[in-house]
Amino acid sequence: GAVVSQHPSWVICKSGTSVKIECRSLDFQATTMFWYRQFPKQSLMLMATSNEGSKATYEQGVEKDKFLINHASLTLSTLTVTSAHPEDSSFYICSAPTRTDTQYFGPGTRLTVL
Amino acid sequence: GDSVTQMEGPVTLSEEAFLTINCTYTATGYPSLFWYVQYPGEGLQLLLKATKADDKGSNKGFEATYRKETTSFHLEKGSVQVSDSAVYFCALIQRGAQKLVFGQGTRLTINP
Repeated sequence: GAVVSQHPSWVICKSGTSVKIECRSLDFQATTMFWYRQFPKQSLMLMATSNEGSKATYEQGVEKDKFLINHASLTLSTLTVTSAHPEDSSFYICSAPTRTDTQYFGPGTRLTVL
Repeated sequence: GDSVTQMEGPVTLSEEAFLTINCTYTATGYPSLFWYVQYPGEGLQLLLKATKADDKGSNKGFEATYRKETTSFHLEKGSVQVSDSAVYFCALIQRGAQKLVFGQGTRLTINP
């Protein structure tokens, strides 16, 4: 199957700092990628759709200025959590669809804000 | 709107037991259906999929059949192993759409 990577796999930061998470499709191109947030023992919550060459589309209730998304190329999307606070601590997962519409997920990034 | 409903967990079984995790969906048309598995601390891995009615997806001993008449996609395995312990997500996607619709997930624990 297709491979999606994320970096870093975990990060600990101080409150007020910004954190960037990268999502890469390693063996295919993706004009669209998705960013999810997952709370412990819960399902995935779609945060936004990342579109190569254009603005991201955010789901209702997700703060655009807090979660900045940039889709720089056909293989890379980044999520920046700005001015992070403890309530932003979570597991963030990205996914990318292949041409067959099957989505492949990254391994996730665990963010802990102190 | 479209939705997916999974049987509530957690589900606990002994090794070599038969597994069924129920999944039903509500959707217009003919969506594609998926099962994803999430091991502790990891992202989701595609387990199997089916794209049209009566298709059977299979992988690693798991099977699921796309049943249009009952709008179901139940996951089954004949003999589970401890290594199958994980959270299983049923999901659908409409043709031409890109957003997956997930069920709530079912946590499975297999005891030796």
